[in-house]
Amino acid sequence: DGGITQSPKYLFRKEGQNVTLSCEQNLNHDAMYWYRQDPGQGLRLIYYSQIVNDFQKGDIAEGYSVSREKKESFPLTVTSAQKNPTAFYLCASSRSRNGETQYFGPGTRLLVL
Amino acid sequence: GESVGLHLPTLSVQEGDNSIINCAYSNSASDYFIWYKQESGKGPQFIIDIRSNMDKRQGQRVTVLLNKTVKHLSLQIAATQPGDSAVYFCAENTNNAGNMLTFGGGTRLMVKP
Repeated sequence: DGGITQSPKYLFRKEGQNVTLSCEQNLNHDAMYWYRQDPGQGLRLIYYSQIVNDFQKGDIAEGYSVSREKKESFPLTVTSAQKNPTAFYLCASSRSRNGETQYFGPGTRLLVL
Repeated sequence: GESVGLHLPTLSVQEGDNSIINCAYSNSASDYFIWYKQESGKGPQFIIDIRSNMDKRQGQRVTVLLNKTVKHLSLQIAATQPGDSAVYFCAENTNNAGNMLTFGGGTRLMVKP
């Protein structure tokens, strides 16, 4: 898991509720990423950020939002607009130059009540 | 623990045998490749990487082979141990400004004692 932490390990969401997943890194990495993982599928990119106060949509950004106010932190909010939020969410970070390894956190499993 | 993939291709090997996990990548312009290991309920863990100017790279008990002609990547694990049981993903980087990776679907390795 390197120096990347995610919390909580499990998160339960009620219908119509927004929930926020935490991701923190102490690797001094500029770039951070959020992925969604569903059973039987690979990782799909939700959002990424190359630098503080900047972020870009990935392949499946609808129903999600992020912020990058600090270099160390990249929280992901799963909004009520995300109709199928049950999944395993993974945060990663890397140095911002191209061709750098991404290192992953331990993940958060989101379940809908 | 949770399953990270219910319908993944599965490779079953006897403890002590060598394992070979294959990956076909999609983009001939990709110039950096990574293998990750993911145990159930955990985040992906970096194993080994290789750049496109190399055909082979060795680590501790693992070797990655790259065949750019047929866009094929393989991971060889020597003397496979029960602790090697996991899902293995390949990822490719296509020289993009965001250092984004494209992940394969994964292969589940099961080691029989």
